Amino acid sequence: GAVVSQHPSWVICKSGTSVKIECRSLDFQATTMFWYRQFPKQSLMLMATSNEGSKATYEQGVEKDKFLINHASLTLSTLTVTSAHPEDSSFYICSAQGTRGSRGTGELFFGEGSRLTVL
Amino acid sequence: DQQVKQNSPSLSVQEGRISILNCDYTNSMFDYFLWYKKYPAEGPTFLISISSIKDKNEDGRFTVFLNKSAKHLSLHIVPSQPGDSAVYFCAASSTGNQFYFGTGTSLTVIP
Repeated sequence: GAVVSQHPSWVICKSGTSVKIECRSLDFQATTMFWYRQFPKQSLMLMATSNEGSKATYEQGVEKDKFLINHASLTLSTLTVTSAHPEDSSFYICSAQGTRGSRGTGELFFGEGSRLTVL
Repeated sequence: DQQVKQNSPSLSVQEGRISILNCDYTNSMFDYFLWYKKYPAEGPTFLISISSIKDKNEDGRFTVFLNKSAKHLSLHIVPSQPGDSAVYFCAASSTGNQFYFGTGTSLTVIP
C-alpha cells in the first residue's frame, strides 16, 4: 500500500488562482521531503528539498515566491503554486525520506503525483 | 546520452501470463529506481520503487528486481490483466537528484 499520499491527484484551476498540493507520509516520519516537476516526455526535475521546521532549499531556476513549500510537520509537506499560469501546468511529484529510526533504512518513497492544469 | 534505457518499445502478453519489462542503466551512482505507468492522455502513475539496498520489492501483482552488478532493473506483473495495458517507464536517480527516465515500453495484455 501507499506510504506517501499526495492530494489532490488532479486539479484544474483558473489562471491567477493559487493551488495547494499536499504530500503526506502515512506510516513514518519524514524529515526530508522532495518536490519534483515533470514535463511531458522529460525527466523529473527536482524543484526543492524541504526539511521539517526549516525553509526549503530551492534548485536553481525555481521561483521560491511562486512555488511555496511548507514542511510544518514530520508527516506533511505542502506545495502552493501561487498565481498559477498555464505554463505552470504540469505533473508534480513529492517524495519523502524517513530517518533510520522510522523505517530503518532511510528509504525514499514517492507520492503518486498531482496533475495541475491551469486554464 | 541515454542513462536509462528500455530497449523493448513494445510487449504483448496473454492475459493471466507474466509480463516482464526490462530496464538498463549506465550510471553506477543511481540508487533509487521507479516504475511509472501511463495511460493515453493521462499523467504517469507511480507504480513501484526500489532502492539500491534491496534487490527485490513486491507490491501485489507487481515485483521489481534490481541487479546492481548488471545495472539492470525489471518489472514483473503476475498475472497480467487487460487493465495493465499501458506504457511503462522506468526511472533512476542518485539520492535527491534529477530522475532520468527510459523511453518507455508499451505493454498490451491480450484478453
